[in-house]
Order: sequence, then structure tokens, then C-alpha cells
Amino acid sequence: EVQLVESGGGLVQPGGSLKLSCAASGFTFSGSAMHWVRQASGKGLEWVGRIRSKANSYATEYAASVKGRFTISRDDSKNTAYLQMNSLKTEDTAVYYCTRQGGAYGMDVWGQGTTVTVSS
Amino acid sequence: DIQMTQSPSSLSASVGDRVTITCRASQSISNYLNWYQQKPGKAPKLLIYVASSLQSGVPSRFSGSGSGIDFTLTISSLQPEDFATYYCQQSYSTPWTFGQGTKVEIK
Repeated sequence: EVQLVESGGGLVQPGGSLKLSCAASGFTFSGSAMHWVRQASGKGLEWVGRIRSKANSYATEYAASVKGRFTISRDDSKNTAYLQMNSLKTEDTAVYYCTRQGGAYGMDVWGQGTTVTVSS
Repeated sequence: DIQMTQSPSSLSASVGDRVTITCRASQSISNYLNWYQQKPGKAPKLLIYVASSLQSGVPSRFSGSGSGIDFTLTISSLQPEDFATYYCQQSYSTPWTFGQGTKVEIK
């Protein structure tokens, strides 16, 4: 079964850090670009960023709202993608989803999401 | 950044109705347009990719069309399980962007 499972969410104070993990199974993780998408409560979807495959030099891209604060990485030996979040702000509070980029650029596999709450 | 604008923001419809949701890009995105369905408390689900290709396992009552700037998602005969929020998303260039969503409610 093709699956993504996020973990690592929780409560953190403003200015703090948190690292999310996304464990993949059921497909060739190393060949897939992986994305993070977030959704604040009652709001729409916001793309956070992407990490491409080794064949594309593990290139990363980010939304302007998180650039310089968030870092996406991956460990193909562990079939896991990561989202390191630093200098967190209250507006980063959201459910964070890990997704797989399908061959035709849709995000065809989604995790169940992990909740990040930034509050004092 | 490419802005995606959906209309309407919400709609009320009955089972069996034909439903159309539109999505407009702020610049041409060729056919790099995807549609997702999201139910409360659940992750989004890919319905349509590259404007008109039906994702595996998605019922054929869902269809997509358009290219360039204007796109459409059509549900030919609305079913009870289709009441949800629908998002368009462009994958033409980063940052990838979503429309604000269209909530389909029961009339």
C-alpha cells in the first residue's frame, strides 16, 4: 500500500523550532519529489515547499512565507522526508501534510497530516 | 507568484445535479492545473491532473477541462459522497499555488 505517515507535530512557543518527519512506504521514494502543504484551521491549502529527487540534485524550493526559516530534506535510505521549522511564528499554526509529486505534477499521495501549534 | 481564483466560493446543490466550478489563473499555466477534493478532517485527494486527466480510482462523473488561464471542474451527477471542498492548484511554476476553495453543500 502506498502510504505517507507524518509525525513530529506538537505545541511550540513562538521563536522555537520543530522537525516534522514523513515516512514513505509502498513506492520508490528515492525517485519521487516530495512536498509539504499546510492548512490553518478553517482555511485553505498553502504550499510550503518541495524537495526533488537525487536525479534533480535534491533541489529545494519554498514559499516566500517560510523561506529562510524552514528547510526540507530527505534521507532516501530511510524513505523519509523532513521539514525543519525554525523561528516559528503564531501564523505557522496549521496541519502539515506531506505529499508525493505524481509523474504529471499533481500531488497524488497525501499523508494524514500532523498538527503544529505555535503559541505561548 | 501565480494567483488562482475559484468561483463560486460555495454552492448549494442537490443529489443528481450537474455542478461546475471554475478556476482562473493570473497568467497562462498551459495545462498544469490539478483539482483536489477535501472532506472535513481528511487530507485532500487528487481528482484531476493536467487539467483533464482523471486520477486512477476517481469516478467518471468528475471531469476537467481548460487550458491557458481558464479551467473547469464538472461533476455530472452529484452524489452524496461528493459534498466536500474542492481546490484547484497550478503546478506550472513554483511557488505552487491553490485556489481558495469551493465548498459544495447540500441544498
